[in-house]
Amino acid sequence: KNEVEQSPQNLTAQEGEFITINCSYSVGISALHWLQQHPGGGIVSLFMLSSGKKKHGRLIATINIQEKHSSLHITASHPRDSAVYICAVRGVRGNQFYFGTGTSLTVIP
Amino acid sequence: KAGVTQTPRYLIKTRGQQVTLSCSPISGHRSVSWYQQTPGQGLQFLFEYFSETQRNKGNFPGRFSGRQFSNSRSEMNVSTLELGDSALYLCASSLGGGETEAFFGQGTRLTVV
Repeated sequence: KNEVEQSPQNLTAQEGEFITINCSYSVGISALHWLQQHPGGGIVSLFMLSSGKKKHGRLIATINIQEKHSSLHITASHPRDSAVYICAVRGVRGNQFYFGTGTSLTVIP
Repeated sequence: KAGVTQTPRYLIKTRGQQVTLSCSPISGHRSVSWYQQTPGQGLQFLFEYFSETQRNKGNFPGRFSGRQFSNSRSEMNVSTLELGDSALYLCASSLGGGETEAFFGQGTRLTVV
């Protein structure tokens, strides 16, 4: 059983579309991160959330602590958004990260 | 300020050899954690160090070990390499608390032949 479930696994969108990636988790957390990984490996932390909503440019992340659910939205998607998006939660016990399996996003021009 | 630096970026080793990977955290960060990423298993937690002490350990065999120095730099060692150890190894640094933001390095891609 995975502590973090992400959906969808793969997503193809036309440029300009609104995109939503979902994350559900089953452990108690101190924070949730949305990560972006481009081909080549490097990971960038897009957001860290412990409550509510955050916005950065065309990216919006929300979290519902009671429902143990988070969403990452991309408005006006662009081909450069093509990457793998990973939901990661930091457990309250042990401080370690638990990761979702990632969502591979391809945005077609 | 400088980000998390991992060296080397790429490494090719032979089965049975050992390897040491390095992670230099962001200045002031005292927590360094290590992760293995493989196509089949995704990202998995290896261990976390805080102020030179291993604070938490994932479910990996004893061939995987690590340490942290007084300047917070961390090394990870894998002995008696197996083909299945081929992976991207990532480290992340943070101030220390779970509610603090973590920053990831670019990773070291290890290939075992």
